[in-house]
Amino acid sequence: DTGVSQDPRHKITKRGQNVTFRCDPISEHNRLYWYRQTLGQGPEFLTYFQNEAQLEKSRLLSDRFSAERPKGSFSTLEIQRTEQGDSAMYLCASSTRDGYTFGSGTRLTVV
Amino acid sequence: RKEVEQDPGPFNVPEGATVAFNCTYSNSASQSFFWYRQDCRKEPKLLMSVYSSGNEDGRFTAQLNRASQYISLLIRDSKLSDSATYLCVVSMNSGGYQKVTFGTGTKLQVIP
Repeated sequence: DTGVSQDPRHKITKRGQNVTFRCDPISEHNRLYWYRQTLGQGPEFLTYFQNEAQLEKSRLLSDRFSAERPKGSFSTLEIQRTEQGDSAMYLCASSTRDGYTFGSGTRLTVV
Repeated sequence: RKEVEQDPGPFNVPEGATVAFNCTYSNSASQSFFWYRQDCRKEPKLLMSVYSSGNEDGRFTAQLNRASQYISLLIRDSKLSDSATYLCVVSMNSGGYQKVTFGTGTKLQVIP
């Protein structure tokens, strides 16, 4: 499979717990993005990596959120002390100049 | 004003109809434009890029109007399988990275 992979597909967690999501981009794509999408809205930008460098972070990314891409390949997104408002679909995308390929997303539900 | 604006719809059209969506963007420095399709509870998938000269892919035609800062998507001979949300995507180079902004999407429902 040469697409973007995300793991897990679904995550249910209790408020206050930490969660971590993983994204494996298309191997030749050096740009990687994280987005968050809630019902009825378009994807909202969270952060961007060029290789292992995190070049941009949205103001949406509070200090409870951290993202890494240690070797310029896969990336992780961690949310600490989850809140109910964090419930959303978290999408990862990798890109070339011709467009963005999204993973299937991780649907987070905070109860 | 939102950076990328779309009519959320829904657009309910009969099979075989022609339907058009518009999307406006606020930043004149925007460089690249795309239409994505998103099915319910699925990830967005690239439908087509939008070029200055306009482009067509089968029943789908995309147009870009830089002067008025909008892009459009025309779907001819609508099929039931076209029912989805269509996301307008605008990209620009911002401080060395490609800033990508999505619209909220326009929902299309094709009715038998």
